[in-house]
Amino acid sequence: RKEVEQDPGPFNVPEGATVAFNCTYSNSASQSFFWYRQDCRKEPKLLMSVYSSGNEDGRFTAQLNRASQYISLLIRDSKLSDSATYLCVVDYSGNTPLVFGKGTRLSVIA
Amino acid sequence: DAGVIQSPRHEVTEMGQEVTLRCKPISGHNSLFWYRQTMMRGLELLIYFNNNVPIDDSGMPEDRFSAKMPNASFSTLKIQPSEPRDSAVYFCASSYRQGGTGELFFGEGSRLTVL
Repeated sequence: RKEVEQDPGPFNVPEGATVAFNCTYSNSASQSFFWYRQDCRKEPKLLMSVYSSGNEDGRFTAQLNRASQYISLLIRDSKLSDSATYLCVVDYSGNTPLVFGKGTRLSVIA
Repeated sequence: DAGVIQSPRHEVTEMGQEVTLRCKPISGHNSLFWYRQTMMRGLELLIYFNNNVPIDDSGMPEDRFSAKMPNASFSTLKIQPSEPRDSAVYFCASSYRQGGTGELFFGEGSRLTVL
């Protein structure tokens, strides 16, 4: 069974804090990994891809640990606008659809 | 560029009624996906099409659900008869697949309430 597990949260953090989310996946043959962001009552949108060597996009850093089958998202210097649900997404193979986790909810508080 | 367009945005109906949700994918995309999202179950894949052909409908809850893609620019998801437990947000998404899945672009969703 192809599953993606996330802590649902919510994570309530003050502005400026650093927060990290983890996500585990069930199949070691997984090929590609992503983080999607979903604002309240909106559609999910791609935040960033996750590469084996780890990658950074501004305040956001994504890391992949294939041996332990987890990926992480680190957000530095949290902003109020970062409040959203972050969905961990796994592409188990090029021929099957993406598998979404249920998401981790983040609230950044002033 | 227009994104994925879904209609209706909101629908309230009574149990037993037929519901039809519509989707226009992004032009040039060759894969289309229907998802359902609830608080309890998260985002669930119902069915997806490649080049207008249904590939996997194992996520369709039961025979009350059906989906069609008559051409590259239009798809429908039909529920007949609808039940209260079908209440959810239904998302349509499209992507351009060449090897991998490609980035998914979601529509704004159709929020269905079945009374």
